Amino acid sequence: DIQMTQSPSTLSASVGDRVTITCRASQSITNSLAWYQQTPGRAPKLLIYKASILESGVPSRFSGSGSGTEFTLTISSLQPDDFATYYCQQYNKYSWMFGQGTKVEIK
Amino acid sequence: QVQLVQSGAEVKKPGASVKVSCKTSGYAFTSFYMHWVRQAPGQGLEWMGIITTSGGDTRYAEKFQDRVTMTRDTSTSTVYMELSRLTSDDSAVYYCARARQVATSTPYGYWGQGTLITVSS
Repeated sequence: DIQMTQSPSTLSASVGDRVTITCRASQSITNSLAWYQQTPGRAPKLLIYKASILESGVPSRFSGSGSGTEFTLTISSLQPDDFATYYCQQYNKYSWMFGQGTKVEIK
Repeated sequence: QVQLVQSGAEVKKPGASVKVSCKTSGYAFTSFYMHWVRQAPGQGLEWMGIITTSGGDTRYAEKFQDRVTMTRDTSTSTVYMELSRLTSDDSAVYYCARARQVATSTPYGYWGQGTLITVSS
């Protein structure tokens, strides 16, 4: 199975900060990479798919990049609603594995 | 609008089985694959498997291969996930999640609200 590794596991930041989360795949997944946001008690919400395509309705301060084995999620200016846990997921080769998550906390 | 409504929370004893339902509406049921994902308390997301809603074919994560069964009922647009031989490690919120688009390799565009399963003696 393809393994997904996110870093950092926790990130402390302030409103207005630029935040970057990294996700690495154990083998190439081309661009079959999605990012989700989850707040406590809620189901995850799709933010980005195909590594860099913003899902409809998602604010433009979110962006994704990368291909192959290394990917990033960037929040250009952190807003109060963005304090949450973020997961990457690969959906290549009949496997839908998640990274372990990155919790973005208030500094 | 697309809706995925799951069955309610359950408490089960170790060794028992549980069957969670996910009733869908607002789209062509047999056009989109459905997945099941679970999340233990304070932990991350764990993919359990996928069912093709048209033919009922399934693919399970290796970890659950011998304990999980996913089925669907096209007459009620409902998918089911049954997990057997429960242990305390199976205490988690279980989600159904619909493929974003009509394709195999696609992320999830819609999620159920989650079903809390607690395994306790």
